[in-house]
Order: sequence, then structure tokens, then C-alpha cells
Amino acid sequence: QSVLTQPPSVSGAPGQRVTISCTGSSSNIGAGSDVHWYQQLPGTAPKLLIYGNNNRPSGVPDRFSTYKSGTSASLAITGLQAEDEADYYCQSSDNSLSRWSVFGTGTRVTVL
Amino acid sequence: QVQLVQSGAEVRKPGASVKVSCKASGYAFIGYYVHWVRQVPGQGLEWMGRINPNSGGTDYAQKFEGWVTMTRDTSITTAYMELRRLKSDDTAMYYCAFGRLQRLDVWGKGTTVTVSS
Repeated sequence: QSVLTQPPSVSGAPGQRVTISCTGSSSNIGAGSDVHWYQQLPGTAPKLLIYGNNNRPSGVPDRFSTYKSGTSASLAITGLQAEDEADYYCQSSDNSLSRWSVFGTGTRVTVL
Repeated sequence: QVQLVQSGAEVRKPGASVKVSCKASGYAFIGYYVHWVRQVPGQGLEWMGRINPNSGGTDYAQKFEGWVTMTRDTSITTAYMELRRLKSDDTAMYYCAFGRLQRLDVWGKGTTVTVSS
């Protein structure tokens, strides 16, 4: 069972803004651990989308952004496009019970 | 160009072991961690552990301690993940990924492991 909780699904029309929350605790996000986000398109391997403090690997559009507050983090997608339909996962480190690294429960984004 | 090429699909009987390989190219193999992540069909990502190719040191998620072993062969820039005492619910896609201590920068395409009697 993951210690990072995400909503199972979010949806939006093309062009809209959607956000995905990632709720942790004082042993992970609240402890100041970096949060990274991954995108998994249907039938493919995950891909690093955003890392740390709103850093995007080459090729990732700036429509994707993140922010963090307290024990939670969020991923925002502005100007939603059909190609954004995918599963999104947050990831952080956790210093309890040797969890080392943990993924969020994952969120399916549907473009209406 | 960074590439991680994983070994092909495997089928095992319950109680058996499986060893998946991950051949790295296009970057300094000993300079980055190799992580292993699994995904049971229809479910989310689960971090299994990581290996430091330079030292061979490993960190395993508590759930996998005692039944997973991660190794590497620096001469052929390849990392391995062996899972023992397989059960049917170990049927999953297993990914390797290279990156930093926590961040997984580039992922392999995955190896399907099916456990069935």
C-alpha cells in the first residue's frame, strides 16, 4: 500500500487546466523530500515528466508544472491536449521503515 | 543516446526464480543508479530497489528484502534483478531505470514475468 495518495482519476476538456494531488506525510513530502512526476502513456513504459522544483527534462512542454506545500504536492496540466491522456505518478523518498523510495497510487487523466 | 535494453519475457512456475537483465548504453554506467520497478497488470508502479553500479551497494524496499537480489556486471554495463520463490501475484511487468538516488531519468521498455503452474 502506497504512502503517497493520488486521486484515481481526473478529467477535463481540451484546453482546460487539471490538477493532480499527491498527499504524503511528515516522513516523505513533509520532510522536504523532492517529488518527481512520471507520465505513462497507454501500453508504454513510464517517462520522467517533472523532477524536483519544477524542472522539466528536454522535450517536456511547459504546460506541465508542479508545486509543493506541506505534506502534499500537485501536478498541473494547462491547455489540456488529447495526447496528455495517460496515467501520472508522483514519487518521493520516505524515511520510515526503510521504504527508501515510493510511488503514488497513480491518477488516470482522461481528456473529454 | 541513453538506452536500457531489457531481456525478453519469462514464464516460471510458482516457487521458481527469475533473473531479468538490463543492458545500459549511451551514458556512464557506473555514474548513476539502476532502479527496478514493477507493475502488476492494471495496477500502479511499485519501487523494488536500486543498485549503485560503482560500488555494487543495494537498497531494497522492505517488502522485497530477503527475496530479491540486484547485481551488476560493469564490464558489460548490465544490471540484473533476481526474484526468488515466485508466486502467481508476482506476475507483472518489471522495469529497470537509470537515474539519481531518487529520480528515475530513463526507463527500459519492461520485461513481462508470468508465474503460472
